[in-house]
Amino acid sequence: EIVLTQSPGTLSLSPGERATLSCRASQSVSSSYFAWYQQKPGQSPRLLIYGTSSRATGIPDRFSGSGSGTDFTLTVSRLEPEDFAVYYCQLYGSSPATFGQGTKVEVK
Amino acid sequence: QVQLVESGGGVVQPGKSLRLSCGASGFRFSRYGMHWVRQAPGKGLEWAAFISFDGSKKDYADSVKGRFNISRDNSKNTVYLQMNSLRAEDTAVYYCAKWGVGGSYCDYWGQGALVTVSS
Repeated sequence: EIVLTQSPGTLSLSPGERATLSCRASQSVSSSYFAWYQQKPGQSPRLLIYGTSSRATGIPDRFSGSGSGTDFTLTVSRLEPEDFAVYYCQLYGSSPATFGQGTKVEVK
Repeated sequence: QVQLVESGGGVVQPGKSLRLSCGASGFRFSRYGMHWVRQAPGKGLEWAAFISFDGSKKDYADSVKGRFNISRDNSKNTVYLQMNSLRAEDTAVYYCAKWGVGGSYCDYWGQGALVTVSS
C-alpha cells in the first residue's frame, strides 16, 4: 500500500503570501491519478486539482498543482482570506484510494 | 447542479448494523462510480469503499473489508453503505462522493452523515 505524507503539518502565513504544500508518496506513482482537496471547518471537502495539475470547475487560477514520481506540490500563489483551511492530497486510480494526513494553512 | 444527500446516520451500539443512503441528483447517476469516504472526529479523510457505475466492481479499504457492503440502485439514483459488526473506531462522518469525469477522484461530495458507535 502506498503511503502519502504531507508536509508541513501546519503552515502559518499571512494573506497575500505564497503557500507551498508538499505531498510525498512512499513509491513512484502515476501523475495522472493525483488530486488535492480543500476542507474548511464544518464543511465537506472540495476538489481543487485532479490529474496532478488540472483545476476543477470554478477553482481560481491562484491554485496550481505540479509534480511527478514521488513528489507533488500544491501552490497557492497569493493567499486570500478564504484559503485558510486544511488541504489533503489523494492518490486515486488504484486500491486503496489513499489520502495524505492533511496540511493546515493558518493565519499567521 | 450536482447534489448528494446522505441519510441514515445515528448512534449505534458496538457489534450492531447501520445502513447509510446517498441520494443523487443533477447528473446522470448511472454513468458514474461512487465512493464512500469517512472522517473520524478531528482526523483526516479515509477512503472506505467504491462502486462502479453499474455495480459490477466494488472495492473496500482493509479497515472495513468483510464488514461493510457498498451497493447502488440506479433506478433510484441512490448508493448505499451497509455497515455491519460496527466498532468504536468506525465512528466518523461518512461522505458519499461522485467519481470525476475521466477519473476516480471525488469531484462532488455530500454534506456527510455522522455515525457514532457507542454503548
